[in-house]
Amino acid sequence: GESVGLHLPTLSVQEGDNSIINCAYSNSASDYFIWYKQESGKGPQFIIDIRSNMDKRQGQRVTVLLNKTVKHLSLQIAATQPGDSAVYFCAENSEPYSSASKIIFGSGTRLSIRP
Amino acid sequence: DAMVIQNPRYQVTQFGKPVTLSCSQTLNHNVMYWYQQKSSQAPKLLFHYYDKDFNNEADTPDNFQSRRPNTSFCFLDIRSPGLGDAAMYLCATSRGKRGVVDTDTQYFGPGTRLTVL
Repeated sequence: GESVGLHLPTLSVQEGDNSIINCAYSNSASDYFIWYKQESGKGPQFIIDIRSNMDKRQGQRVTVLLNKTVKHLSLQIAATQPGDSAVYFCAENSEPYSSASKIIFGSGTRLSIRP
Repeated sequence: DAMVIQNPRYQVTQFGKPVTLSCSQTLNHNVMYWYQQKSSQAPKLLFHYYDKDFNNEADTPDNFQSRRPNTSFCFLDIRSPGLGDAAMYLCATSRGKRGVVDTDTQYFGPGTRLTVL
């Protein structure tokens, strides 16, 4: 079945450095991808999304790259700050032709920041 | 601010005692979702409503039910909670894609953490 998976379960980054979180997906029909940030005890927070007809999208300090050839998604966080510590989930809309999105979440990457 | 609200944030119930979790939204979104998230795992979709149309996931146990009396509110009922039902329960909303909308972002509430004694 379709699945979204992450390459690394944990990532430790020096404060101020850039972070790169990777994600692989398996459903080539997926048309929409989202990155969520989840802090401890809170719900997932939308960070950035990208449609399948794009290969790059930038937000404030974050960039999402999509490589459809190898079915790979990444989230880049520039100048990582202590407040970026969280679990990051990539998510895939597994039913692009449905009237409501149906998200499959990856397993999550925990990002920790070293001072 | 428009948002997704979940009450209570923490709920303790006894084994087998029915419990209801509440979600409300001020986004006026058509779709409301319920997810279960266990520790160190990704959220798992239980079911969703598109307006009044209920859509159950195939592997959602019968013990879990939902009600949506109006656009703003959606409830999760756990008829006989077991120890394995202890988890964070997340509500999310989205506009839905009927019409010209071609992406459908889900926005999550803060969650209700359920403890079963």
